[in-house]
This record gives sequence, structure tokens and C-alpha cells, in this order.
Amino acid sequence: AQSVAQPEDQVNVAEGNPLTVKCTYSVSGNPYLFWYVQYPNRGLQFLLKYITGDNLVKGSYGFEAEFNKSQTSFHLKKPSALVSDSALYFCAVRDVNDYKLSFGAGTTVTVRA
Amino acid sequence: DVKVTQSSRYLVKRTGEKVFLECVQDMDHENMFWYRQDPGLGLRLIYFSYDVKMKEKGDIPEGYSVSREKKERFSLILESASTNQTSMYLCASTLPRGNQPQHFGDGTRLSIL
Repeated sequence: AQSVAQPEDQVNVAEGNPLTVKCTYSVSGNPYLFWYVQYPNRGLQFLLKYITGDNLVKGSYGFEAEFNKSQTSFHLKKPSALVSDSALYFCAVRDVNDYKLSFGAGTTVTVRA
Repeated sequence: DVKVTQSSRYLVKRTGEKVFLECVQDMDHENMFWYRQDPGLGLRLIYFSYDVKMKEKGDIPEGYSVSREKKERFSLILESASTNQTSMYLCASTLPRGNQPQHFGDGTRLSIL
């Protein structure tokens, strides 16, 4: 079985401040990890993924994520948030031996000007 | 860029109707998925198809069926719509390799009255 937890329903930050969205996961084997963003009335857009190798992954729009195997975490980060980063963010995990992608419940990010 | 197109953005149907949601992708992806998205629950997998005429049940297949007659098209069918099927429905596609991200359509917001 596999699962994802996003412990914060909402994250609020001021523009220009660092942004962190937390994610922890559980899989029986090795994980593939993904972050997606969803803007209102749109589908999910892929931000970045961890497959193997370097624990720090860089993605679209200045986002990055750090894979921590011992803590089974994959937190999303951005050094300086923009108002346009306000959206719903989903973390997802897939066991390397499975087709199924499991999503967290999502975290709503609000960046205030 | 991969394009996944869902035939309707908004749909209103009545209880007991048979409802068809259509999804087309233009990148020759083998794998296609149907999810429903509900607040606080993230995305839940309804059905998955890994080839033409091939399908597998996801986590919540009850009340739904699917059809994949052509590689580019994956249809979700609500056999007899009920009010608890009011939701946002998202279609996605990807290559079979597990490290590839899924690409999503913009979703269909379905209301069952």
C-alpha cells in the first residue's frame, strides 16, 4: 500500500518570503515522487519529480523539492514566493513497481502582496 | 506539449441519466486514467487503461464504467447518475514508464440534480 500526507490544509506567506509545502509518503518499495499545482478551474500541472539520484530536485517556476529518505519526506520549496504562486498544490507518490499514483489531499497556498 | 482534452468543462445532468465523459490525448500515450477530485480528499482513481480495450479498476470504480476503443480516447460512463457523483472529474495520460509524469486535462465539473 502507498499513501501521501500533506499535513497543512493551508499555507499563507507574504510575497518575497520563502515558501514551503510539506509532504510525507509511505510506500513498500522505492518511490517515484511528484509535485503538481492546480489553478482555479484547471487541471493539474506537473512541477517536478524525484526518480533517483540527487536529493534536491529543481522544477518549473523556481520551485524545488528535497527528498529525504530517512524522514520519508518530499517538501516543496521556493526561496521567494510570488502572488501568482497562490494555488492548490498536490504531492503524489508511486511505487516503482506499480502503475498507480497516490495523491495527498492538497495544500492551498496563499501569497499576499 | 502534451494536450489532454476533456469534452466538457461543465455538465449538469439528472439523477438516473447515463452520462458520458470523453477524454482525448494527442501524444500516443499508452496509459490513461480517470480521477475524481473532491475537497479534502485529493484525487481518487476511478479507472485505469494501459492499452486499447484494456482496463483496470481503481480505488472507487462503483457506479462507473469505462471504454477505450481507440488509443487516444478514454471515456468514463456513469451508468445511472446519482447525486453523490457530483464532483470534478479529471482525465490524465502518460507513457508506461513509471518515472514519467501524468498529464491532465482541465477537468469536467459535473453536477447531478
